Amino acid sequence: GAGVSQTPSNKVTEKGKYVELRCDPISGHTALYWYRQSLGQGPEFLIYFQGTGAADDSGLPNDRFFAVRPEGSVSTLKIQRTERGDSAVYLCASSLTGDTEAFFGQGTRLTVV
Amino acid sequence: AQSVTQLGSHVSVSEGALVLLRCNYSSSVPPYLFWYVQYPNQGLQLLLKYTSAATLVKGINGFEAEFKKSETSFHLTKPSAHMSDAAEYFCAVSPLNTGTASKLTFGTGTRLQVTL
Repeated sequence: GAGVSQTPSNKVTEKGKYVELRCDPISGHTALYWYRQSLGQGPEFLIYFQGTGAADDSGLPNDRFFAVRPEGSVSTLKIQRTERGDSAVYLCASSLTGDTEAFFGQGTRLTVV
Repeated sequence: AQSVTQLGSHVSVSEGALVLLRCNYSSSVPPYLFWYVQYPNQGLQLLLKYTSAATLVKGINGFEAEFKKSETSFHLTKPSAHMSDAAEYFCAVSPLNTGTASKLTFGTGTRLQVTL
């Protein structure tokens, strides 16, 4: 596709459950980023991939959060034992390289009930 | 470390009036600075960016911003507001010298309302 695609667009889950959020970056983009946007806040950086490896995961809030990008394209953000405080919009962005403009997807709205 | 402060969580202007959205940054290294716009239920869209070239940056939809190092500011302006400009605007900063221009630190956003 032409842009960054995120699925699902909305996800409602029960507290304690496991969820996976998917990001399809723009074809050929080597850099991929995950951000989290809580209500009334700006996006907060979670993790940055360059190719298949996580170049910077300093924004992951705790060990319940994990992300992978096994083939250097699609990425999955995984959240274990979800908590109500995890409710937010999770944004994915990609860029051609780590030095170029990032293009954002529409996000996945996660609601933990 | 970098941070940005957006003054005013809500700004209301009349259609045709000047738009001024304020952003001040803090950075221990020379920064890249960005303005993004977010329309309801849509992803972030880049309006413009400063990357140490010209201090006056022109972006899409008639917006521009001026980098003022002495004031540590990067305010966003548009001479004449249009109803379609109503959206959330985010200022963001990233470090210039680390090669990670896309690792952004965002402000809390300013919601722009445009009235008739």
